[in-house]
Amino acid sequence: AQSVTQLGSHVSVSEGALVLLRCNYSSSVPPYLFWYVQYPNQGLQLLLKYTTGATLVKGINGFEAEFKKSETSFHLTKPSAHMSDAAEYFCAVIKSGGYQKVTFGTGTKLQVIP
Amino acid sequence: GAVVSQHPSRVICKSGTSVKIECRSLDFQATTMFWYRQFPKQSLMLMATSNEGSKATYEQGVEKDKFLINHASLTLSTLTVTSAHPEDSSFYICSATGTSVSYEQYFGPGTRLTVT
Repeated sequence: AQSVTQLGSHVSVSEGALVLLRCNYSSSVPPYLFWYVQYPNQGLQLLLKYTTGATLVKGINGFEAEFKKSETSFHLTKPSAHMSDAAEYFCAVIKSGGYQKVTFGTGTKLQVIP
Repeated sequence: GAVVSQHPSRVICKSGTSVKIECRSLDFQATTMFWYRQFPKQSLMLMATSNEGSKATYEQGVEKDKFLINHASLTLSTLTVTSAHPEDSSFYICSATGTSVSYEQYFGPGTRLTVT
């Protein structure tokens, strides 16, 4: 079975500060990893994903994440927070090799303080 | 590309009635569609998986007779909440995967159901 742990259900940062949202996973096989963002009363939007290849992946809106197999982590970062980044962020994992069910983390709500 | 729509975006119904939510893939053929339920301030809970032309596979604890799922075409899946009760009030989100990228799910904007 696979699982995803997001440390911190709420994270507050000042505008312009570094954003770091943590995600650790467990999987019996190499996983595919995703970060999604959800704005209030909306669906999920894919920020970035890791499947194979380069372990540092860049996504939309200036976000990036690094797959660290030794740490089973896939933390999401952004150098400088913007007010529009305030939203809920979900880390998700799927087993590699084709269609599988997605396992979501519990989510982290990011607050950006002006 | 890879746009998924849901209709309606918000619906209010009376207790005991049924309500249908549509999920459409607008620019790709969705071989598999997923239905999630999201409670306030919580993560997404997978309710069921549906493949075009076959019966949906429901997750443990989800009543298949209450949440009827139909995936009659490669671009449309419907979720019908039968005999709705206030505890069915929630945010329902669908997602879809295409034939070429089976691991990536594209999410709809969600439907807010309120049962009075």
